[in-house]
Parts: sequence; structure tokens; C-alpha cells
Amino acid sequence: QVQLQESGPGLVRPSETLSLTCTVSGGSISPYYWTWIRQPPGKGLEWIGYSYFSGRTNYNPSLKSRVTISVDTSNNQFSLKLNSVTAADTAVYYCARDPHYYDSDGTPQDYGLDIWGRGTTVIVS
Amino acid sequence: DIQMTQSPSSLSASVGDRVTITCRAGQTISNYLNWYQQKPGQAPNLLIYGASSLQSGVPSRFSGGGSGTDFTLTIYGLLPEDFATYYCQQSYSSPYTFGQGTKLEIK
Repeated sequence: QVQLQESGPGLVRPSETLSLTCTVSGGSISPYYWTWIRQPPGKGLEWIGYSYFSGRTNYNPSLKSRVTISVDTSNNQFSLKLNSVTAADTAVYYCARDPHYYDSDGTPQDYGLDIWGRGTTVIVS
Repeated sequence: DIQMTQSPSSLSASVGDRVTITCRAGQTISNYLNWYQQKPGQAPNLLIYGASSLQSGVPSRFSGGGSGTDFTLTIYGLLPEDFATYYCQQSYSSPYTFGQGTKLEIK
């Protein structure tokens, strides 16, 4: 079955760039949307954004000026870059698959975030 | 952003109980509402999508309902493995916001 695995540095210095990769195994990266979500210690979930397999992106406005999500179809991976990090960016970062699509009249058909990685902890310090 | 408010924030119940968690959206979201279960140290797991559709592999004791602004997640006959934190998420309008979570604890 499809599995996701996050990878990247667990410690990032303030003002630098956080870079994570999510590797998709057991399935194709197309034709899905690929999402990043984060969870600060002891807190709830925050949707960061997604990239469609074709490269179209959608970001949370609260992070839009600092975030880039991109897809590498040749390696079945997608990535997150968050620049100018501060301690507030310390969190567990999850990657997830979003299988929503648009039907013939443009209505979105949503199926939730159906597959998640196990998460990776990033500390900004 | 669409604010999602869950109630209660925490809940104590016993094995075998029926519990209901409520999620209210700050504006109408049709049926674009998903529910997730998260256990300590684990990633969230999708339970319900489209407000009432059961994700494949999820036990039928989980049931979702509602539309518009008010939604519910009901668990019938709690089992020990159901004690966890539950989140709702709207997928109607970006950013796709989550509720603050409801922690279900053993009484």
C-alpha cells in the first residue's frame, strides 16, 4: 500500500531555511495533491499547504510569504521549504496525500487527507 | 479563514459508552468536513470524510453527521483503543482549518 516518509534535519537555526522531503512509496505521485501539516508541541494541527502533482500550489496565507512546496515526479517525492524560521516554527511536520478532484462541472469531490507520514520533529534553536 | 470550533475540548467516558463530539464551522461549509483520530506519538488517521462517509478500514462504530455549519462525530460502544484526540477539518475553503481537538479520556 502507499506509504509516506518524511525526512530532513531535526534542528534548524533561527532565520535559516527548514527543508523537508516526503517520499511516496507503493504508489504514484500522480494524480494527487500532496500536503504538509504541522503540529507545535502540545497543540493542534495547522494546514501549511499543498502542491498538485503538476506543480500547482496553494498555501496557508499565514505562511505564504515563507513557504514553498514542490513535487519531484521522477523521484516520487515532494518537499517543503520554510524560510526565515523562528522558534514558533518548532513542530512535528507531517506530509499527507489529498485525493480530492474536480468533477465535470467543477465541483470538488473531497476524500480527506487519507494517507499520512509518521511525522518528523523539527526544532528551531 | 473559516474557524472550526469543537466541543467539548475534553471528555471522560467509559468503555461501552456512546459519545458525541460536535464541530461548528464559522460559516457554511456544505458537507466538506473530515474527522481524524490522533493517538499520542502518532500521525492523525482519517475516520470520516464528506461529513458522513466512513473511510475504508474504519470500524462502523464511528459515525459522522451534519451539514452546513454543525457536525457531529459519534462513537458507539467505546473500545479501549478509541481513547485519543479527535479533530475536525473543513475542506471547503483554503486554508483548510482544523478544530482545536477533543481529547477523549477513560473515566
